[in-house]
Amino acid sequence: NAGVTQTPKFRVLKTGQSMTLLCAQDMNHEYMYWYRQDPGMGLRLIHYSVGEGTTAKGEVPDGYNVSRLKKQNFLLGLESAAPSQTSVYFCASTPGRVDYGYTFGSGTRLTVV
Amino acid sequence: DQQVKQNSPSLSVQEGRISILNCDYTNSMFDYFLWYKKYPAEGPTFLISISSIKDKNEDGRFTVFLNKSAKHLSLHIVPSQPGDSAVYFCAARGRYNQGGKLIFGQGTELSVKP
Repeated sequence: NAGVTQTPKFRVLKTGQSMTLLCAQDMNHEYMYWYRQDPGMGLRLIHYSVGEGTTAKGEVPDGYNVSRLKKQNFLLGLESAAPSQTSVYFCASTPGRVDYGYTFGSGTRLTVV
Repeated sequence: DQQVKQNSPSLSVQEGRISILNCDYTNSMFDYFLWYKKYPAEGPTFLISISSIKDKNEDGRFTVFLNKSAKHLSLHIVPSQPGDSAVYFCAARGRYNQGGKLIFGQGTELSVKP
C-alpha cells in the first residue's frame, strides 16, 4: 500500500523555468492538498481539491497552478519559478473526515537558483 | 496573522520524563485540533486529535488537552522515548471550513536524550 507518492523528491530549477510536481494517492481519498514548508513558517496551504475536476486556492496560491483531472492525481505547477519558491512541498490527502487526519507524501525539496 | 502558534521552536527532555508541547490559537471558530509528528526527510504523520467539545483525548503514551477559554492545547508524551525525537506540528480546522483545510503551527522540535 503506497499511500501518497510524490515525484520528484528533489529538483533544482533556474529562475524562470517551469516544472510540475506530481502527487498520486491510492486510497481513493476525495480531498487532496498541496502545502509548502519553510523554516519558522510551519506548513502553509497552496491549493486544494475536494474532488476530481475541482481546485481551490489556499493561503499562498500566487505563482502556482494545480489540476486534478483524475481522482488519484493532484498536480502542482510552477510556470516561472522564483527563488522565493525554494521550499519543501508536501502533498496530502484525506477521505473527508477530519478525525482521520491527513496522509502526507514524503515531500519534494525544490531549490530555485 | 498566525492563527495557530507554537511559541517554542525546540524542547529537550530526558528519556522517561514527560514532554509537554504547547500550542495557542486565536480563532474561536476552530472545532477540531490535531497533532502531527515529522521525522527528517519524511512527511508529517497524524498522531492524535481532539474535538472542541472535549477537553482531553488519550492514546497510549500521548494525551492532548484542550483549554477553550485560554485557546490553548497541549500534547503530553509520557514516558518520553528517544524515538519520539521529531518535529511536532499542531493544526486546527475551522467550524465552517470547506474542504477540510487545516491551519498548522510553526512546529516544535523535540529532542529526547537517553
